[in-house]
Amino acid sequence: AQSVTQLGSHVSVSEGALVLLRCNYSSSVPPYLFWYVQYPNQGLQLLLKYTTGATLVKGINGFEAEFKKSETSFHLTKPSAHMSDAAEYFCAVTSDSNYQLIWGAGTKLIIKP
Amino acid sequence: AAGVIQSPRHLIKEKRETATLKCYPIPRHDTVYWYQQGPGQDPQFLISFYEKMQSDKGSIPDRFSAQQFSDYHSELNMSSLELGDSALYFCASSFRGRAETQYFGPGTRLLVL
Repeated sequence: AQSVTQLGSHVSVSEGALVLLRCNYSSSVPPYLFWYVQYPNQGLQLLLKYTTGATLVKGINGFEAEFKKSETSFHLTKPSAHMSDAAEYFCAVTSDSNYQLIWGAGTKLIIKP
Repeated sequence: AAGVIQSPRHLIKEKRETATLKCYPIPRHDTVYWYQQGPGQDPQFLISFYEKMQSDKGSIPDRFSAQQFSDYHSELNMSSLELGDSALYFCASSFRGRAETQYFGPGTRLLVL
């Protein structure tokens, strides 16, 4: 079985500060990992994904995430937060054996001016 | 680039009524997934179809049914609506060859009164 844990339902950072959103997963098979972003009253937009290959993946809007198998983590980072980054971020996992996305509970990112 | 299209975008129904949500996948995508996202919740997988056949089933109530048509669009039929069915319903699509990446539509917001 697969599961995803996102630490912190809300994360607040100042504009220009580092953004770090934590995601840990459990999977008995090699995972595919995703970060999706959901802006208020909008759909889910794929931010980045890890399937195979390079463990540091870069996504849109300056975000990146690193797959660390030993830590079963896929934390999302951005060096400098912008006001426009305020949204809810979902980490999700799937695999070759089951394409059903398993979601974390989401982390709401709040940007302070 | 063409994205996943969902219609309608908003829907208001009364209890015990029926509703039909439509999803048009990205061209050449042959797999469709349905998710339900309640207020403040993470998306919950309902059901998926590959090549017009049901491929996976999640927490879809018996009152709901879905199908995928020959042009790969999908419809989610919801009967005997309950207040608790009020949610955002997302459709996602993927190409089986790269089934690990699902692209989401903007969602249909259903309000049951």
